Amino acid sequence: DAGVTQSPTHLIKTRGQHVTLRCSPISGHKSVSWYQQVLGQGPQFIFQYYEKEERGRGNFPDRFSARQFPNYSSELNVNALLLGDSALYLCASTQGTNTEAFFGQGTRLTVV
Amino acid sequence: AQSVTQPDIHITVSEGASLELRCNYSYGATPYLFWYVQSPGQGLQLLLKYFSGDTLVQGIKGFEAEFKRSQSSFNLRKPSVHWSDAAEYFCAVARMDSSYKLIFGSGTRLLVRP
Repeated sequence: DAGVTQSPTHLIKTRGQHVTLRCSPISGHKSVSWYQQVLGQGPQFIFQYYEKEERGRGNFPDRFSARQFPNYSSELNVNALLLGDSALYLCASTQGTNTEAFFGQGTRLTVV
Repeated sequence: AQSVTQPDIHITVSEGASLELRCNYSYGATPYLFWYVQSPGQGLQLLLKYFSGDTLVQGIKGFEAEFKRSQSSFNLRKPSVHWSDAAEYFCAVARMDSSYKLIFGSGTRLLVRP
């Protein structure tokens, strides 16, 4: 069975640009969450979606947005990129709303 | 506010030696607790979880953790470390209100001496 898949694995963007990151959850999982992991730190919660509805938002600016599609895949969008947005972006899927989360390999975003 | 503290930034052990990684949490209700492992540049792999019941939980790769409510701790242990265990280890507590989110500690980097 495929695990959580994220694309792309790496990308480099210029300050001010926009980026879209994609995530496909484990088959049967209806919840997707996004986390940002800055080098040397633990992951920080950005968003949770369940059944295509936003269930939670972390302490991130409005430049960050996300959505979940009918097939439960998800996109994370970041506008007006800053150097500080450089990080590993992790997607996690859960079967319900209170079970263990399984993570993808992440997307390494570098903003120059 | 909920929080997780991992007091050790780095730990170095010799291969074959025992290991204990510390984790303390702050959470008002009964916590859901997790340990994840991360190899360089990779995602997070779940080692084990505690939801309820037996306070000593077994995980993958020979790891175990013990939940101690009185000490607000969930320490990770392994009796004999292998060189392949070198990685970053994260403790996390799940916060569940209208959403489900994991609150992570800052991680402990494990180095293994041959």
